[in-house]
Amino acid sequence: RKEVEQDPGPFNVPEGATVAFNCTYSNSASQSFFWYRQDCRKEPKLLMSVYSSGNEDGRFTAQLNRASQYISLLIRDSKLSDSATYLCVVNEAGGYQKVTFGTGTKLQVIP
Amino acid sequence: EADIYQTPRYLVIGTGKKITLECSQTMGHDKMYWYQQDPGMELHLIHYSYGVNSTEKGDLSSESTVSRIRTEHFPLTLESARPSHTSQYLCASSGTGTGPYNEQFFGPGTRLTVL
Repeated sequence: RKEVEQDPGPFNVPEGATVAFNCTYSNSASQSFFWYRQDCRKEPKLLMSVYSSGNEDGRFTAQLNRASQYISLLIRDSKLSDSATYLCVVNEAGGYQKVTFGTGTKLQVIP
Repeated sequence: EADIYQTPRYLVIGTGKKITLECSQTMGHDKMYWYQQDPGMELHLIHYSYGVNSTEKGDLSSESTVSRIRTEHFPLTLESARPSHTSQYLCASSGTGTGPYNEQFFGPGTRLTVL
């Protein structure tokens, strides 16, 4: 089983739709969590950190469920510009704080 | 914008050549990383560093080597490039904090093609 798992998609959604991605992680000692966005042939860029109580940034909402070991990303009112691959990132506790990237979920917003 | 830089951005080179991919950051971050990513595929960690004089191999075996003589600089070297090394190489750095603020910042990447 992979340490961090995501559905690769693609998720094809119409403009204006709401879409949600989940990401599961296997290490219960994982400490911090992030969502990154990666456009085609570009570097990943931080979309948002995921706080224990959940957090929102405009149309984006991130949630953490420690009991079930997953994080989620909800995108409301999808825009064409949201089309990208969304990477789930999990940091472990400890001296090195191993960082594990998920394989990514591809989102295509269609007009 | 993150202050992490990679050069060259694109490199086309013949088999057997020695190459060095440069990565530098001005954020004073202790941790630095090298990833390899093929188009449309996942990121693979190939090297990382806790700080000066610290280097470790990542999850994906790589014939490349790295050095960390200065905090801000983390170059990657291939002694003899081969076509199988063709890929995108991404450098990243992160601070020493923990929790939700310790994100990685990525450079723009070097796209390497070995003929």
